[in-house]
Amino acid sequence: GAGVSQSPSNKVTEKGKDVELRCDPISGHTALYWYRQSLGQGLEFLIYFQGNSAPDKSGLPSDRFSAERTGGSVSTLTIQRTQQEDSAVYLCASSSPLGGQYSGNTIYFGEGSWLTVV
Amino acid sequence: GQSLEQPSEVTAVEGAIVQINCTYQTSGFYGLSWYQQHDGGAPTFLSYNALDGLEETGRFSSFLSRSDSYGYLLLQELQMKDSASYFCAVSPRSGSARQLTFGSGTQLTVLP
Repeated sequence: GAGVSQSPSNKVTEKGKDVELRCDPISGHTALYWYRQSLGQGLEFLIYFQGNSAPDKSGLPSDRFSAERTGGSVSTLTIQRTQQEDSAVYLCASSSPLGGQYSGNTIYFGEGSWLTVV
Repeated sequence: GQSLEQPSEVTAVEGAIVQINCTYQTSGFYGLSWYQQHDGGAPTFLSYNALDGLEETGRFSSFLSRSDSYGYLLLQELQMKDSASYFCAVSPRSGSARQLTFGSGTQLTVLP
């Protein structure tokens, strides 16, 4: 697609339920990132996929969070047993394999999935 | 690890010049990036500095001093549409992932 596409755009869920958030990166981008942004805060790194390499999961806040990337394209972020503190915008981003570190590691963000846990 | 500091809020009037500072501490460093985010929107890339000095892109310029672990974003001829949050971000050298670490953002308000 022309840009990074995320769904759902908004999700309200009850505490304790599981949620899945989907990201469709820009075609041809091998790197995919998930970030979390709480209201009025900066972006918190969650997880990074690069091609067929093992993902960097160092930012996942707990074992309730997991992510998959199937076929090197679409990614799903899963939050199990949601808690109120999980309420945030979950931003997906992708970048081109041609963008080395000296290109600024420019990444392209989707509009985000706004998650509210009640 | 990495940490970045930037002012939480800046206010300026239309047509003015504003500078948003960013200081960072990082265990390894490729460069400093700046992103703009309007309310409810996606962050979008503005500029990147890998080397010391000033990079200019239209009304926006970005500066980096590696020796001072400091950079800034300069916005000239401010327009109302420049009202947004501005994030500095460092590209870390460590590890295999090239993920960016973002600051907490500076909310810029442009007044008429």
